Amino acid sequence: SQTIHQWPATLVQPVGSPLSLECTVEGTSNPNLYWYRQAAGRGLQLLFYSVGIGQISSEVPQNLSASRPQDRQFILSSKKLLLSDSGFYLCAWSGTSFTQFFGPGTRLTVL
Amino acid sequence: QKEVEQDPGPLSVPEGAIVSLNCTYSNSAFQYFMWYRQYSRKGPELLMYTYSSGNKEDGRFTAQVDKSSKYISLFIRDSQPSDSATYLCAMMKGGGSEKLVFGKGTKLTVNP
Repeated sequence: SQTIHQWPATLVQPVGSPLSLECTVEGTSNPNLYWYRQAAGRGLQLLFYSVGIGQISSEVPQNLSASRPQDRQFILSSKKLLLSDSGFYLCAWSGTSFTQFFGPGTRLTVL
Repeated sequence: QKEVEQDPGPLSVPEGAIVSLNCTYSNSAFQYFMWYRQYSRKGPELLMYTYSSGNKEDGRFTAQVDKSSKYISLFIRDSQPSDSATYLCAMMKGGGSEKLVFGKGTKLTVNP
């Protein structure tokens, strides 16, 4: 069966510090991968998606970036965090069906 | 007008009640419809998915899609305290586009 992992689970970072969040998927090959942010009262916002290694599409211009160095690894990064980057970051994957499956999430607080 | 509208609630019901959760949408190109359940501080979990119009039943859960009215529903029968969560509707156009558009979620509390 497929599983998706995210780490860290929680993170508190000062404004201006860098960020690296990691997502890995097990039990499947060539998944589509997604990064979402969920802020209170704002719903789920798609940030990036990837259909293959090195292929990244950005949905929202901001100071975040994503990379996919391996087939089942997806990384969300920032060089300098802003207060507005606080939120719950979710990674998801999909296979040949249209359904997306989410990871446990990373709760980021920027102070 | 937002693409997907969902009443955020909160919705509070007694145990055993029938719960009705709804979303409306504006884009007639949506063909795939999903419901996710999200417990507090956890990732969303896929509950139900349907293609085009019609009903789908899975245990105590029934998903309905009315494309003519651009309206989808999730019914929970014999609700349990363990059903207390936020329910998110999501939809997608399909045809190679895999971007899900989510509602903001309805927070449900089932009281014992």
